[in-house]
Amino acid sequence: SQQGEEDPQALSIQEGENATMNCSYKTSINNLQWYRQNSGRGLVHLILIRSNEREKHSGRLRVTLDTSKKSSSLLITASRAADTASYFCATDRGGANNLFFGTGTRLTVIP
Amino acid sequence: GAVVSQHPSRVICKSGTSVKIECRSLDFQATTMFWYRQFPKQSLMLMATSNEGSKATYEQGVEKDKFLINHASLTLSTLTVTSAHPEDSSFYICSAKRGAWPFPGELFFGEGSRLTVL
Repeated sequence: SQQGEEDPQALSIQEGENATMNCSYKTSINNLQWYRQNSGRGLVHLILIRSNEREKHSGRLRVTLDTSKKSSSLLITASRAADTASYFCATDRGGANNLFFGTGTRLTVIP
Repeated sequence: GAVVSQHPSRVICKSGTSVKIECRSLDFQATTMFWYRQFPKQSLMLMATSNEGSKATYEQGVEKDKFLINHASLTLSTLTVTSAHPEDSSFYICSAKRGAWPFPGELFFGEGSRLTVL
């Protein structure tokens, strides 16, 4: 079963705008990760945030984590057409030896 | 980052035949690999955890006799879809875990294999 939900399910923005995607989960976690998937391709890891962290940055990416609300957000600043992809959050469900993925957000950046 | 190779990337087969998909970790040893299935515009569903030298652990609802997993070496896991039917058509993705959990980073994913059963 899915670990959680991302919203929005689909997001379309103009190049240069910021894109914010949200993820909610149901169980306790040790860490939460965000992945990117281009259409028909494998997944690429973007960023990992641990349960004791609240915010993390990597380049144009900013991830927040609110464990009290069991939610995370991924912000992509100054979006580019090449950012067009599906974005998934994934959690370890508090120590499970694998990852469980959310439903994903399909981001389209219009040049 | 580490590289995981998945082969074939696309395969078309007739109903009733079996198809084998390989997942290789090219530059590290992976004691654990994972197999996922993804339907169009949907998320990844974990099918099974493949452990080197032991039986795979299947998720609830996944038929172990239908989806045979073998992890005979530290760099190779295979998924065989037996007696494939059109409903087995899907995108199958493997991932490999390097080091202790949680690895400072992530799992490394293959590029996926698109199976079409006619």
